[in-house]
Amino acid sequence: RKEVEQDPGPFNVPEGATVAFNCTYSNSASQSFFWYRQDCRKEPKLLMSVYSSGNEDGRFTAQLNRASQYISLLIRDSKLSDSATYLCVVNDFGRDDKIIFGKGTRLHILP
Amino acid sequence: GAVVSQHPSWVICKSGTSVKIECRSLDFQATTMFWYRQFPKQSLMLMATSNEGSKATYEQGVEKDKFLINHASLTLSTLTVTSAHPEDSSFYICSASQGANNSPLHFGNGTRLTVT
Repeated sequence: RKEVEQDPGPFNVPEGATVAFNCTYSNSASQSFFWYRQDCRKEPKLLMSVYSSGNEDGRFTAQLNRASQYISLLIRDSKLSDSATYLCVVNDFGRDDKIIFGKGTRLHILP
Repeated sequence: GAVVSQHPSWVICKSGTSVKIECRSLDFQATTMFWYRQFPKQSLMLMATSNEGSKATYEQGVEKDKFLINHASLTLSTLTVTSAHPEDSSFYICSASQGANNSPLHFGNGTRLTVT
């Protein structure tokens, strides 16, 4: 099993729709989790941290399911500007000081 | 918020030359910085972990003599691509964390290297 796995997509979603995608991780001892957004030919930018109790930032909701070892990102009322690649990042500082990236999920919001 | 500055943003060089990329944490001290490479339509690939005052830790398959990393201070790490070849053309990105294990990474804006 890969350390961090994401569905590469692309997810083609009409504007205004709700879209969600998951990221699974293999190390049950992983400590912290993040969602990053990367636009084409740009560096990743932090979208949000993922807290154990789940957290929301505007139209974005992140959740962590430790039992099933996945995190999720939900985007409501999607905008054209949400089109990007969303990277799941897992900090495994407790093991070899690793920061592990998923390969990203491509999202296309359609007008 | 934390800022990481990377320079240059893009560089074009001839085969056989060396290119140095700088990564600075502007408003925090970073004992550890990370260097990534990203080829078109592919995911970020960790090249090495740069540790202030000690040798970098390279990922498997990354040549340490070709990609020289120096982390001389708590705010600066440099990556030098030596004897560059066209296959080294890529997007190089550095990142740093503010230190606590649950801190997110902050990325530089990347360097697009083209070797002709």
